[in-house]
Amino acid sequence: EAGVVQSPRYKIIEKKQPVAFWCNPISGHNTLYWYRQNLGQGPELLIRYENEEAVDDSQLPKDRFSAERLKGVDSTLKIQPAELGDSAVYLCASSTSRSTDTQYFGPGTRLTVL
Amino acid sequence: GQNIDQPTEMTATEGAIVQINCTYQTSGFNGLFWYQQHAGEAPTFLSYNVLDGLEEKGRFSSFLSRSKGYSYLLLKELQMKDSASYLCAVGSYNTDKLIFGTGTRLQVFP
Repeated sequence: EAGVVQSPRYKIIEKKQPVAFWCNPISGHNTLYWYRQNLGQGPELLIRYENEEAVDDSQLPKDRFSAERLKGVDSTLKIQPAELGDSAVYLCASSTSRSTDTQYFGPGTRLTVL
Repeated sequence: GQNIDQPTEMTATEGAIVQINCTYQTSGFNGLFWYQQHAGEAPTFLSYNVLDGLEEKGRFSSFLSRSKGYSYLLLKELQMKDSASYLCAVGSYNTDKLIFGTGTRLQVFP
């Protein structure tokens, strides 16, 4: 069974540029998460989807971050414009249903903003 | 709110046993997870405890005491490949979220 797929794996951009990350969850997993992980820290939730509905986006900086999961499968996370402080690893995870079910993570996208 | 504490770094010798502790404060406790994360890679699921006691899975065991807000991950017969960060994460019915600790970086030496 394929795991969570993310692309790109690495992205280097200059500040004020836009950037987008893509995630394909494990087949059959209704719940999808985007996390941000800074160096030496644990993952922090940005947004959680159940099917196509964003049920928790309280930690998403909505002035510059946006996300979508149009058909309840793939998801895209966008930052526009990027700031230096956005440099981090962006992890996508999925689970079968509730947020406290076991979550399976993708390899992440390492973003560097110069 | 939720709070999770775990040591920042630990070292151990190949073949030895190491115990990584995690203490937490949360309302509506709904399970505790341990994840392993090698440098530059995704966290991978190791164990899940929702009831008090010890869960054993090969060389790894995880213990939970809900009354004490305490868990540990026990790694036996350490191998070099066990060098990684170990993340403790706690779920809550109230927030419907999984909150991660900062992770414990374990270094195994020959």
